[in-house]
Amino acid sequence: NAGVTQTPKFQVLKTGQSMTLQCAQDMNHEYMSWYRQDPGMGLRLIHYSVGAGITDQGEVPNGYNVSRSTTEDFPLRLLSAAPSQTSVYFCASNQGGSEAFFGQGTRLTVV
Amino acid sequence: AQKITQTQPGMFVQEKEAVTLDCTYDTSDPSYGLFWYKQPSSGEMIFLIYQGSYDQQNATEGRYSLNFQKARKSANLVISASQLGDSAMYFCAMRDPNRDDKIIFGKGTRLHILP
Repeated sequence: NAGVTQTPKFQVLKTGQSMTLQCAQDMNHEYMSWYRQDPGMGLRLIHYSVGAGITDQGEVPNGYNVSRSTTEDFPLRLLSAAPSQTSVYFCASNQGGSEAFFGQGTRLTVV
Repeated sequence: AQKITQTQPGMFVQEKEAVTLDCTYDTSDPSYGLFWYKQPSSGEMIFLIYQGSYDQQNATEGRYSLNFQKARKSANLVISASQLGDSAMYFCAMRDPNRDDKIIFGKGTRLHILP
């Protein structure tokens, strides 16, 4: 049972570099989202998608791009990494009123 | 706007005692859902319990129960007979079906169970 798969698990970037965090789910969920977790801040919503081809901004979208070309995949792009983007990133999916299913998280450090 | 408030950054509780973790929420929509998640030190997010705004009874799942007080906009998690393995971060979250089913989280409460 794969559920929600996030890659990579760890990443170190230099300031200004770009990268894509991958997220895939095999539960045919319409709704997918990206969160970042910082100490004392809980999980904050970056971007979300209610279905293929539809994305929208969450609470902290600046510096991040997303796309949803298929139901299964929802990658998160950092175009020019900044130290303020050092965080733990979680991808999640859910369907209708169900709980959110989370990936294992990506620990990103920007130096 | 939607908001989840967890006022206890940290708690220390003796093993086998019951624990109540506080959560208040703010929404103007009549239909919503409330969740609790556990995050152990290993980092994964574990779903514990769900309460719908129209549910007549408080949700229960094993040792977990949700004390839902709709008029007070309160959704406290109660853990009975705490165990050492309950030591973790706990997050309260809310889903609003009228706002694209977004799920927003509180800042969390770190629970320490003492032997």
